[in-house]
Amino acid sequence: DTAVSQTPKYLVTQMGNDKSIKCEQNLGHDTMYWYKQDSKKFLKIMFSYNNKELIINETVPNRFSPKSPDKAHLNLHINSLELGDSAVYFCASSQGGSGINEQFFGPGTRLTVL
Amino acid sequence: RKEVEQDPGPFNVPEGATVAFNCTYSNSASQSFFWYRQDCRKEPKLLMSVYSSGNEDGRFTAQLNRASQYISLLIRDSKLSDSATYLCVVTRGGDKIIFGKGTRLHILP
Repeated sequence: DTAVSQTPKYLVTQMGNDKSIKCEQNLGHDTMYWYKQDSKKFLKIMFSYNNKELIINETVPNRFSPKSPDKAHLNLHINSLELGDSAVYFCASSQGGSGINEQFFGPGTRLTVL
Repeated sequence: RKEVEQDPGPFNVPEGATVAFNCTYSNSASQSFFWYRQDCRKEPKLLMSVYSSGNEDGRFTAQLNRASQYISLLIRDSKLSDSATYLCVVTRGGDKIIFGKGTRLHILP
């Protein structure tokens, strides 16, 4: 009965490909997030959506496009993958506004770009 | 200077000892503060929120010093299972969430 789930768990792909990562939360939360954790373990927020509306959009290449079909889902599509995109991507959700309350993280998607 | 800074460690501490680490933040408009714990190859999980009055949860005590712009985490009677990376999180304005790089803690048997 996973609270925040992500698929796939592992993703290995070639440079230049387009890929998507899916995220779903069953906690009834209003806010969802995407984070990137690089090889140095630095966790950096990429996007935040509140009730399907984009709230946070950090300096991220426009090859990354989040999509929120409903407030329980926030998917991440990445075009023209580059070597530097290799990282662990975490989805998270919280109740209320961005960053105010506890965030619940998914298990992460380990992306490797060859 | 990074907005949120932590000593990366690692802190190697014998079991049963008390360990403390700090996190400094540079923006005085920061509003909410948290400590998260991340185990190796796992997702971060909330350990404690940090309030101005300080708060305690069992062996863990968190404090906020707004004047000096830092938060602290104290772990008493450390257990092997406390080994993890501890992430400081600072938020402000409803649209800024900044994670520190984390402090690695190893509890030694």
